[in-house]
Amino acid sequence: NAGVTQTPKFRVLKTGQSMTLLCAQDMNHEYMYWYRQDPGMGLRLIHYSVGEGTTAKGEVPDGYNVSRLKKQNFLLGLESAAPSQTSVYFCASSYIDRSSYNSPLHFGNGTRLTVT
Amino acid sequence: QQPVQSPQAVILREGEDAVINCSSSKALYSVHWYRQKHGEAPVFLMILLKGGEQKGHEKISASFNEKKQQSSLYLTASQLSYSGTYFCGTLFNDYKLSFGAGTTVTVRA
Repeated sequence: NAGVTQTPKFRVLKTGQSMTLLCAQDMNHEYMYWYRQDPGMGLRLIHYSVGEGTTAKGEVPDGYNVSRLKKQNFLLGLESAAPSQTSVYFCASSYIDRSSYNSPLHFGNGTRLTVT
Repeated sequence: QQPVQSPQAVILREGEDAVINCSSSKALYSVHWYRQKHGEAPVFLMILLKGGEQKGHEKISASFNEKKQQSSLYLTASQLSYSGTYFCGTLFNDYKLSFGAGTTVTVRA
């Protein structure tokens, strides 16, 4: 049982280049999230999805796009990378528990992205 | 809207206690607590629900005061393994989990 898998683990981009980060989970979770982590700022939510075919904006969505074509995959795209997008990106997933909001997040191991 | 955590950092000796606070300006449905070791992913510790239900993990416990929209994490008789950065996450009615900036805990022998 792999849990949440992120690829790639590391990436260096030049300003203006594009790339896609892949998140895959094998726990049949409905919810999936993309966070970025920067020193002193904790984890900030970029986009999230509450089910296949749905996406929604989080706290810092500008410059990113996402897609959830399959339940197990959540893709994060950077169309034109900027140095401000240098960060560690974490994907997470959780199951539905609408009655009590009692669903822990399971995180992937992160992708370290550097934009020069 | 990110919750506010305090303190930003705390240094303990083994066996000492510490409290980490998390507060929100909005009414909360639940509060999550996670711990992250350096270079690793955050790991779930516990969830606290409306109604003041407390859940504990080893010698780490927490409380949730709905009226004050606050949660506190209690590290009791700290161990070296408790070192890391602790994050609270607050959940409102829209399934978005927002995290605080984190509290770095260093436990020394």
